[in-house]
Amino acid sequence: QKEVEQNSGPLSVPEGAIASLNCTYSDRGSQSFFWYRQYSGKSPELIMFIYSNGDKEDGRFTAQLNKASQYVSLLIRDSQPSDSATYLCAVNFPNYGGSQGNLIFGKGTKLSVKP
Amino acid sequence: SQTIHQWPATLVQPVGSPLSLECTVEGTSNPNLYWYRQAAGRGLQLLFYSVGIGQISSEVPQNLSASRPQDRQFILSSKKLLLSDSGFYLCAWSVGLPGEQYFGPGTRLTVT
Repeated sequence: QKEVEQNSGPLSVPEGAIASLNCTYSDRGSQSFFWYRQYSGKSPELIMFIYSNGDKEDGRFTAQLNKASQYVSLLIRDSQPSDSATYLCAVNFPNYGGSQGNLIFGKGTKLSVKP
Repeated sequence: SQTIHQWPATLVQPVGSPLSLECTVEGTSNPNLYWYRQAAGRGLQLLFYSVGIGQISSEVPQNLSASRPQDRQFILSSKKLLLSDSGFYLCAWSVGLPGEQYFGPGTRLTVT
């Protein structure tokens, strides 16, 4: 069973706080992990990807990966009202579809940043 | 830089009517192409993917079909729409690293 689980939220944080978004996945063989941001009515936008255990930082965003626990997270520091969106976790499952595998998406966590 | 186009942006169709959605990618060669559907309250569901011209793989059995007549063109079709076909249809492309996919603006389809 190929599964990517996220808390649907909504997650509400005050402006300037750290938002923490979490994701678990079912396939121990997965090697690549992605975070997409989706504003209401718009298409998903890739914001981060991570392949190795540990942290990866890009501006106010930090992706964290723990393959042993099958857990990936996204931290947003100094949250802004413009960060209010649904955040989708996507995991590449190697045995799903083509030779490079395909993505399975979680249902997303809705983040609301209050001014 | 790469750009992905989808049209139409919105579509309202009656049950039983045909469907044709088009996706084109600019600025890259031999991309992998994908069709997803996002229904209300549900996650992104992979419908079809293609690694080259004329090569289509289906992930979900349904009344939809896909074709790739040119390297950077991907078409989603149906002969007879069902109410359950309503949703937000997204085309995506990737090259290189597995899974690094970029989405088009989408087509919002309502079947009445």
